[in-house]
Amino acid sequence: EPEVTQTPSHQVTQMGQEVILRCVPISNHLYFYWYRQILGQKVEFLVSFYNNEISEKSEIFDDQFSVERPDGSNFTLKIRSTKLEDSAMYFCASSEETSGRETQYFGPGTRLLVL
Amino acid sequence: AQKITQTQPGMFVQEKEAVTLDCTYDTSDPSYGLFWYKQPSSGEMIFLIYQGSYDQQNATEGRYSLNFQKARKSANLVISASQLGDSAMYFCAMREPYSGNTGKLIFGQGTTLQVKP
Repeated sequence: EPEVTQTPSHQVTQMGQEVILRCVPISNHLYFYWYRQILGQKVEFLVSFYNNEISEKSEIFDDQFSVERPDGSNFTLKIRSTKLEDSAMYFCASSEETSGRETQYFGPGTRLLVL
Repeated sequence: AQKITQTQPGMFVQEKEAVTLDCTYDTSDPSYGLFWYKQPSSGEMIFLIYQGSYDQQNATEGRYSLNFQKARKSANLVISASQLGDSAMYFCAMREPYSGNTGKLIFGQGTTLQVKP
């Protein structure tokens, strides 16, 4: 069964460093998302991406964040200068459509720790 | 603005019994989708069940069913015959209506379910 994959599974970085989180969505999906989950809290939407551009972003997704689909398979989230409060689990998700019964399939997540 | 509320931070259930996890939502849009995801301790998000706002019948998927009460804006998840492997965090989520190719999900705070042997 097709699945969303994410790398790395864990990343530890120093405050102020740049990190790139990578995702490979399901191959025939057109809509891509990043969410984050601070430990013990709810899952929060960061950004959605369609047709090679951002379709919506949340207040969390400030100028320190960027997304890119550099080729036909990868979808990346970059944090330019990490802060302590960026420590969280980051989930990539993809879907074929955005309506009806079509659900979003989540990757296993990248656990980011900023020291 | 859409809002999802899960009022039960934690729940216990005896193995083989049924359990209901509560979810209420708030939206002014007539068309929306409701989802439940399971998050085991390993962290991944596993899709369980979907209910559309126009669906006439409550959704069922194996041991999972959704008690959808549209007038009360509630979408409670019912797990029948609980198993030890059901111990996890459960999230209710709502997808806003199709608008501008977003389809983002808004999540509730989650309910931790522990199944006792």
